[in-house]
Amino acid sequence: GESVGLHLPTLSVQEGDNSIINCAYSNSASDYFIWYKQESGKGPQFIIDIRSNMDKRQGQRVTVLLNKTVKHLSLQIAATQPGDSAVYFCAENMWNQGGKLIFGQGTELSVKP
Amino acid sequence: DAGVIQSPRHEVTEMGQEVTLRCKPISGHDYLFWYRQTMMRGLELLIYFNNNVPIDDSGMPEDRFSAKMPNASFSTLKIQPSEPRDSAVYFCASSGDRSRQPQHFGDGTRLSIL
Repeated sequence: GESVGLHLPTLSVQEGDNSIINCAYSNSASDYFIWYKQESGKGPQFIIDIRSNMDKRQGQRVTVLLNKTVKHLSLQIAATQPGDSAVYFCAENMWNQGGKLIFGQGTELSVKP
Repeated sequence: DAGVIQSPRHEVTEMGQEVTLRCKPISGHDYLFWYRQTMMRGLELLIYFNNNVPIDDSGMPEDRFSAKMPNASFSTLKIQPSEPRDSAVYFCASSGDRSRQPQHFGDGTRLSIL
């Protein structure tokens, strides 16, 4: 039969606009979260992380927001550039799982020049 | 700084053949992870090591898959015999100790089993 692949959510933004990528995580016991960026033909690249004792963390042009009440994570990219086009994954970790991460399915960001 | 290094980058072989994927983690990292990425199932953890010892291999699909870490700077993932459904991109990642450090990924091995 015909195989069906994962249908990634897609976000399309205009160059220079801000992007917001959302992620719902699965486990209320997770206490560490990471955002990764994956470009075609490459491995996931670390962007930013946040621990559960924080609600917000900022990096260079990126901000991660954590809402533990509804188990929601978001990645905000300011002044989105064509080089930001990629698939973005959130990942969660529980303190008693060692270094093991659980990855979301990913969101594809497309930046229009 | 050298990142995680994987080899080969691409591998094409016929079903039934043995396949060996190699990984050199970042120096000083205590954890090493093997993942498989496919369109069907996304990114799946196969196995991970801590200080060269396998900790969790629950993601290894079946007995045809095996992984070793003979020392802190080298790991292999072996498939024997290989099957077409093993075709995927295989990633290796490493991280520091468990006090909340991110995993850093290599660029993967794209494996095609004909």
